[in-house]
Amino acid sequence: NAGVTQTPKFQVLKTGQSMTLQCAQDMNHEYMSWYRQDPGMGLRLIHYSVGAGITDQGEVPNGYNVSRSTTEDFPLRLLSAAPSQTSVYFCASAPWSDSGTSAITQYFGPGTRLTVL
Amino acid sequence: AQSVAQPEDQVNVAEGNPLTVKCTYSVSGNPYLFWYVQYPNRGLQFLLKYITGDNLVKGSYGFEAEFNKSQTSFHLKKPSALVSDSALYFCAVNTGGFKTIFGAGTRLFVKA
Repeated sequence: NAGVTQTPKFQVLKTGQSMTLQCAQDMNHEYMSWYRQDPGMGLRLIHYSVGAGITDQGEVPNGYNVSRSTTEDFPLRLLSAAPSQTSVYFCASAPWSDSGTSAITQYFGPGTRLTVL
Repeated sequence: AQSVAQPEDQVNVAEGNPLTVKCTYSVSGNPYLFWYVQYPNRGLQFLLKYITGDNLVKGSYGFEAEFNKSQTSFHLKKPSALVSDSALYFCAVNTGGFKTIFGAGTRLFVKA
């Protein structure tokens, strides 16, 4: 299994440009999520999904869109990039039913480092 | 609102000494608590979690954590630190919903 994969590894955008960060997992996990990591702030949840066709907002959803058309893929779209979106973005997945609770163990991808000029 | 605090930005220990990385939480319900580790230029890796039951949880790489409900703490410990334990450690909490809240992280530096 490849686990959770993310592309690209690095990206530089200009203010106002749009782009899509790709995330895929081959573990048939129901739950997928996107986080951003900023120095001194830990990881903040952007959006999450509990299955194909089901998405919801996290802590910091503004400026980002997601969709979940398949179990495997969960792309994150930046609609109009801003310097405040410069960050490292992590995608994660989890088997929702692994404990019968929401105490799910998340498996993280390697991250995408995004710079917005 | 849920929150997680990691009061130390960095912890320095000598190899072979015991280590503790602190975490406190504030939630309105029963917490599910996690520790993850991040090595340079990598994604986070799961170490251990507390759901219910025994307050001492054992995890990967010899790490353990103790859940203390009265002090609302979930400190990460290891009896004997290794240089290879040097990394960024995150505490996280979930109270039964779909959202897990992460702390700001603590950088552990183990000196040979």
